[in-house]
Amino acid sequence: ETGVTQTPRHLVMGMTNKKSLKCEQHLGHNAMYWYKQSAKKPLELMFVYSLEERVENNSVPSRFSPECPNSSHLFLHLHTLQPEDSALYLCASSHRPGDEQFFGPGTRLTVL
Amino acid sequence: QQQVKQSPQSLIVQKGGISIINCAYENTAFDYFPWYQQFPGKGPALLIAIRPDVSEKKEGRFTISFNKSAKQFSLHIMDSQPGDSATYFCAASMVTSNTGKLIFGQGTTLQVKP
Repeated sequence: ETGVTQTPRHLVMGMTNKKSLKCEQHLGHNAMYWYKQSAKKPLELMFVYSLEERVENNSVPSRFSPECPNSSHLFLHLHTLQPEDSALYLCASSHRPGDEQFFGPGTRLTVL
Repeated sequence: QQQVKQSPQSLIVQKGGISIINCAYENTAFDYFPWYQQFPGKGPALLIAIRPDVSEKKEGRFTISFNKSAKQFSLHIMDSQPGDSATYFCAASMVTSNTGKLIFGQGTTLQVKP
């Protein structure tokens, strides 16, 4: 695998479920990001990790919980989501914060 | 003041024509302006980027024009091809930020007709 990979690619969950999104980067980068992409809206930055430390939490509800166990892996834990949370969730990485960001293909999430 | 406004929302161009997408920003502290290209089912990919010390940057058929006083920048795609059909996003950030936070425009869906 090369670049930034995300699993699963598609996820359907009920409002009471708990699920996790996974991101892995194979680029040797030190910064990782979660974005939310909704129809007709700009990409929204959710979280930024630099050297496994969270450096940005963009006023994201607590039902989204990120985890960065090492510089290559990033998770987004989901619980008690709402239908309006349905979106494409994109992971990105960069060598350092502020450098060019490389995006994964995203996870298409549907909350019923 | 953190917004980046992008227009048009959608654009249809004939093959060989010029595609032009415009963006405007308010925060004068922004000093990095990338354009991303996104195909269906894929994540955005960096296309071209500019910093405010130059007024134009060209890479192949893609050119960014930057007007610092007007706080506007635009993407020009010369000799547009059907393979250029995608969604294009402008963005802005402060390079010195410790988060690398990108503020994105709303996106422009480009269709190039053969």
